[in-house]
Amino acid sequence: NAGVMQNPRHLVRRRGQEARLRCSPMKGHSHVYWYRQLPEEGLKFMVYLQKENIIDESGMPKERFSAEFPKEGPSILRIQQVVRGDSAAYFCASSPVLEASGNTIYFGEGSWLTVV
Amino acid sequence: TQLLEQSPQFLSIQEGENLTVYCNSSSVFSSLQWYRQEPGEGPVLLVTVVTGGEVKKLKRLTFQFGDARKDSSLHITAAQPGDTGLYLCAGQASGSARQLTFGSGTQLTVLP
Repeated sequence: NAGVMQNPRHLVRRRGQEARLRCSPMKGHSHVYWYRQLPEEGLKFMVYLQKENIIDESGMPKERFSAEFPKEGPSILRIQQVVRGDSAAYFCASSPVLEASGNTIYFGEGSWLTVV
Repeated sequence: TQLLEQSPQFLSIQEGENLTVYCNSSSVFSSLQWYRQEPGEGPVLLVTVVTGGEVKKLKRLTFQFGDARKDSSLHITAAQPGDTGLYLCAGQASGSARQLTFGSGTQLTVLP
């Protein structure tokens, strides 16, 4: 059973370019989350999506960042006009349908973005 | 805003020793998860606890969820160098919110 797949694992972008990070959830999982881990900081929630819907984007910066989870294909986190402060590890996670007592969330191996 | 305080931040012990990592909050969580993260990799799930007072064991690791579901602990018995890593607790709020709130992590080093 393949885990959460993220690509690319490492991405280098110049300031002002766009970064696109992809995530395929675990088989059978319909919920996708994106988290960011800045250097020397903990993991911070960004956005929660289900197929074709953004459920909670309260942790996403209001500008330059967007996320989608189309009906077909992977979830994509898009960062436009990247700045050095966007350099971080971006983790995708997935979980199955909602359970009454909370859900176990599985993480991918991350995409490391470096802005130069 | 829900916060999870994790302690200690760093822990260096000798092989064979026991240790406990704590995760505390003033908020109630519907579930709490413990992860371990290696450098350059994503968090790997160790356990999920959902019931107040619940105790789960995973080989030499014992996880406990507080009765009030505000705190949790991870106890490792007879630590081994292979236990070295960053241990993270993460709580999930009640209701429809599904985001995890992470603690700042405990960096454990077990010396041979």
